Amino acid sequence: DAGVIQSPRHEVTEMGQEVTLRCKPISGHDYLFWYRQTMMRGLELLIYFNNNVPIDDSGMPEDRFSAKMPNASFSTLKIQPSEPRDSAVYFCASSLNRQSRWTEAFFGQGTRLTVV
Amino acid sequence: AQSVSQHNHHVILSEAASLELGCNYSYGGTVNLFWYVQYPGQHLQLLLKYFSGDPLVKGIKGFEAEFIKSKFSFNLRKPSVQWSDTAEYFCAVPTLGANNLFFGTGTRLTVIP
Repeated sequence: DAGVIQSPRHEVTEMGQEVTLRCKPISGHDYLFWYRQTMMRGLELLIYFNNNVPIDDSGMPEDRFSAKMPNASFSTLKIQPSEPRDSAVYFCASSLNRQSRWTEAFFGQGTRLTVV
Repeated sequence: AQSVSQHNHHVILSEAASLELGCNYSYGGTVNLFWYVQYPGQHLQLLLKYFSGDPLVKGIKGFEAEFIKSKFSFNLRKPSVQWSDTAEYFCAVPTLGANNLFFGTGTRLTVIP
């Protein structure tokens, strides 16, 4: 398996523009997570899905952020409009929950977003 | 709720020195604990995990961690670090009643050749 695939790897955009980050989880995994990593705040969970359904979006900073998972193999994180403070590395991760027991989460390479 | 705390923010060691990074978890029933590593510019990778059984867990690249229930700790150790161990290390625990991972703030390790 190729692992969790994120695109793009780097994104530079101007303030006010819409940004869409993409993630393909590992096939067969039933959980998908979006994390944001910054120097100031460390690693923060933004939202996670179980079987394509959003379970907890309490980490989404504000209404400018939205995430979708239209099917088991694809998810997007959208920021509209983007602001300089959104600059961070965004990680997608997926995992398989076996019999209600946690297994490890596998992370993608991340998308480094710079909003100027 | 389950959470973890890492008190060492930045650790600097010379090669061949021994390493111990602290991780304390909050009590919450069944404990599953993880250590992840993030090499510079890369994504998080699993180093080791504890679910049950032997409290001394061995992971990749010579790392190990010991689950000490009485101390609510899951410290990461390595007897002799290498320059290539320079990275950020995260302790993590699944949140109670939810199916996501709570990560500690991370410890940056710098190994000087």
